[in-house]
Amino acid sequence: EADIYQTPRYLVIGTGKKITLECSQTMGHDKMYWYQQDPGMELHLIHYSYGVNSTEKGDLSSESTVSRIRTEHFPLTLESARPSHTSQYLCASSEQRSGTEAFFGQGTRLTVV
Amino acid sequence: KNQVEQSPQSLIILEGKNCTLQCNYTVSPFSNLRWYKQDTGRGPVSLTIMTFSENTKSNGRYTATLDADTKQSSLHITASQLSDSASYICVVSDRGSTLGRLYFGRGTQLTVWP
Repeated sequence: EADIYQTPRYLVIGTGKKITLECSQTMGHDKMYWYQQDPGMELHLIHYSYGVNSTEKGDLSSESTVSRIRTEHFPLTLESARPSHTSQYLCASSEQRSGTEAFFGQGTRLTVV
Repeated sequence: KNQVEQSPQSLIILEGKNCTLQCNYTVSPFSNLRWYKQDTGRGPVSLTIMTFSENTKSNGRYTATLDADTKQSSLHITASQLSDSASYICVVSDRGSTLGRLYFGRGTQLTVWP
């Protein structure tokens, strides 16, 4: 089992609320990623990081923001949640070397009502 | 455009039967191809990795093949079990960028019935 953890696993929240999805890994990986996945659809990269103080936007435009103050921690924040943000959010990490395996967390199922 | 296409979209088989899932990709330059298993509500877990020079790789009842010339891969599951019910995702990594981008297929939803 991979040492990458996401909290919470499930979250139901009202429109307009600010939320932070937590992701931590204990493998010392430099690269970390956030993916968004709707049911039956492929994963879409929304944010990634090469290391501390590095954050980049992915392929899919997202209103969320991320930070990377510590190697092991890569939280994702939504300042004002909307029903369109309802989705599964998956965090992953990998070694710096290109092509290495990405290890995924269990995911956070977010529902905005 | 770099893409990964999987077929079939969904598949139902009886316990104990074999099945084969397909993956076609256009990712270039190619680095490696992985098959992931994703249980409902969980994160994907890697089953196998195939590099350019590898044709076949097995992991228990899972056998993956790769034809780098035709850019096709398959995942064969032998003697299926109820616990094999999951989404199987083909993921191709490129080596043309620093990130080593991952390209995901939509997955094949496999259901194994008793």
